[in-house]
Amino acid sequence: DPKIIQKPKYLVAVTGSEKILICEQYLGHNAMYWYRQSAKKPLEFMFSYSYQKLMDNQTASSRFQPQSSKKNHLDLQITALKPDDSATYFCASSQERNSDYTFGSGTRLLVI
Amino acid sequence: AQSVDQPDAHVTLYEGASLELRCSYSYSAAPYLFWYVQYPGQSLQFLLKYITGDAVVKGTKGFEAEFRKSNSSFNLKKSPAHWSDSAKYFCALEDTNTGYQNFYFGKGTSLTVIP
Repeated sequence: DPKIIQKPKYLVAVTGSEKILICEQYLGHNAMYWYRQSAKKPLEFMFSYSYQKLMDNQTASSRFQPQSSKKNHLDLQITALKPDDSATYFCASSQERNSDYTFGSGTRLLVI
Repeated sequence: AQSVDQPDAHVTLYEGASLELRCSYSYSAAPYLFWYVQYPGQSLQFLLKYITGDAVVKGTKGFEAEFRKSNSSFNLKKSPAHWSDSAKYFCALEDTNTGYQNFYFGKGTSLTVIP
């Protein structure tokens, strides 16, 4: 069974629309993260959350908003989508200061 | 500012040969360094890490890496290589200043091992 569930696996969106990427982890971890992997750039850290609180934000755009309704959930809302947002978005989790760091399978987003 | 460089975008070799994937880093403090592997269509999987101690660290799938402070490198090695090692490999640096595990990744090296 997957320990980190990301939904959907594939997503096609129209420019200007809004989408929410879902992430749930069943590892009992305290910290959750979002990363983005696009064709043009290396895997980029976006956000880190611990106990449902934002710890670090390396994303310049406010169009990206994490949402944590539960300790094991960290969804990513993206508004006003642009073609440059096309990428695979990976969720990850870990225990605080512990290198047992697990990535989800990713959501591949295509903005047309 | 922290950064990770993987200078080789692609490496191709024959099965049975020795592989070495290069990684260099820039970081003001003592680095925590990692290697991850990504098979086609899959997520990243942990291979090994260097936190402190012995410069040569061993990981999963028969891989090892050597930390060299003198030239800020953390190269991944395996001998012999197997066709199933074909994948994309990422070197990563953990930003220990934040208190949480924020990683900075290199662009990755795509490895092709010819049977």
